Amino acid sequence: AQSVTQLDSQVPVFEEAPVELRCNYSSSVSVYLFWYVQYPNQGLQLLLKYLSGSTLVKGINGFEAEFNKSQTSFHLRKPSVHISDTAEYFCAVTKAAGNKLTFGGGTRVLVKP
Amino acid sequence: KAGVTQTPRYLIKTRGQQVTLSCSPISGHRSVSWYQQTPGQGLQFLFEYFSETQRNKGNFPGRFSGRQFSNSRSEMNVSTLELGDSALYLCASSLGRTTKETQYFGPGTRLLVL
Repeated sequence: AQSVTQLDSQVPVFEEAPVELRCNYSSSVSVYLFWYVQYPNQGLQLLLKYLSGSTLVKGINGFEAEFNKSQTSFHLRKPSVHISDTAEYFCAVTKAAGNKLTFGGGTRVLVKP
Repeated sequence: KAGVTQTPRYLIKTRGQQVTLSCSPISGHRSVSWYQQTPGQGLQFLFEYFSETQRNKGNFPGRFSGRQFSNSRSEMNVSTLELGDSALYLCASSLGRTTKETQYFGPGTRLLVL
C-alpha cells in the first residue's frame, strides 16, 4: 500500500516570499503524483501532476514541483506567493493500476501581508 | 463545460438516520470516486464507480454504499448514521480510462450528524 507524508501541517509566509511544501511518499510500485489545492469551503483543484519524463513539473498559478525518485519526494514550490495563495495544499499519489488517490494530511499555507 | 456538481451542499441528520448524497460528473466522464474529508482522518477514499460498476473500494464499513447510473451520475448512501460520519464528502470525476487522468472534484456535501 502507498502512503503520503506532508511534513509541515502549517506554513506561514509573507507575501512575495518563496514557499516550499514538502511531500514524501512510499510505495512498492510505480506511482503518479499530484498536488491539489483547496480554498475555504471549496473542493480540490489540481495544481500539477507528475506522470513520467522530466522531473520538474510546472503547474498553474506559478507553482512547480520536483520529483525525486531516490528520495521519494515531490516537493511543491512557488517563488513568490500572493495573499490569494492562502489555502490548504494536498499531495496525493495513485498507483499506475487503480484509480484511487491516497492523500497526505495537507499543509495549510497562510500568506501574510 | 460544467464542472462536477454535488447536491445537497449541506445536510444535517441525527444518529441512526440514513442519508443519500448525489454527484453529477463532468459530461463525458465515466468514472466517479467518492472521498470523505474529516479534520482527524484527512481525505480518505471511499469507492470508485466506472460504467455502473464498483471498480475500487476503500476501507469503510458496509454502512457506506454507492451506485452509478447509466448517465454516470452517482449516489452514495450512508445508513445508520454515527456522529463520526460528520464530514465533507467529495466526489471526483474523470474519463476513467487510465489513472494518469486528472480527477476533477466537486464542491462537496457537508454532512453534520447530531
